Amino acid sequence: QQQVKQSPQSLIVQKGGIPIINCAYENTAFDYFPWYQQFPGKGPALLIAIRPDVSEKKEGRFTISFNKSAKQFSLHIMDSQPGDSATYFCAASLSNTGKLIFGQGTTLQVKP
Amino acid sequence: GAVVSQHPSRVICKSGTSVKIECRSLDFQATTMFWYRQFPKQSLMLMATSNEGSKATYEQGVEKDKFLINHASLTLSTLTVTSAHPEDSSFYICSARDGQLYMNTEAFFGQGTRLTVV
Repeated sequence: QQQVKQSPQSLIVQKGGIPIINCAYENTAFDYFPWYQQFPGKGPALLIAIRPDVSEKKEGRFTISFNKSAKQFSLHIMDSQPGDSATYFCAASLSNTGKLIFGQGTTLQVKP
Repeated sequence: GAVVSQHPSRVICKSGTSVKIECRSLDFQATTMFWYRQFPKQSLMLMATSNEGSKATYEQGVEKDKFLINHASLTLSTLTVTSAHPEDSSFYICSARDGQLYMNTEAFFGQGTRLTVV
């Protein structure tokens, strides 16, 4: 029940495309859903996060869509650039504990 | 965002020796820090939660006697891998939450430590 399932495992898009990464969770008690970007050999960096009382959140080129009834959320990257090539992780958390349960990760390659 | 500094970034040690990794919150007080382990091309797995002034809470399957965690101040937590073996080779990452912010949920990550045991 603590799992977060992420798909796809890898993704290749052309510059300007809109990659979409999906995550599903089981524990309905989760109340915080962040997305992280990680470059090789570096720690993850927070991109954007959402709480279950909101269905969509947009920050710059990154948008989270959240479907509480389906227990799913997704990341959309608008106008993707080669510099966006990285591994993306979704996560879920109980905000009172702070412990993050990570998805399996998606390796994104944006071709010039 | 807040800065979490992790040191060293890379370490190579001989099998059987111990290695200490430091995690510092540079511009905020972190009442809680977390330690994760990441194997190549895999996700981050939570190892333990470190609370300032109290014993760490370890996740199931993580040996507390092997991975010693100390959180002696509001800005520093250390992870010591004792009697390291090649299977302990991994990328260790810490994160910290700002204890001053009410209902804060954002965790800031360090840059990670690549441990190689030979």
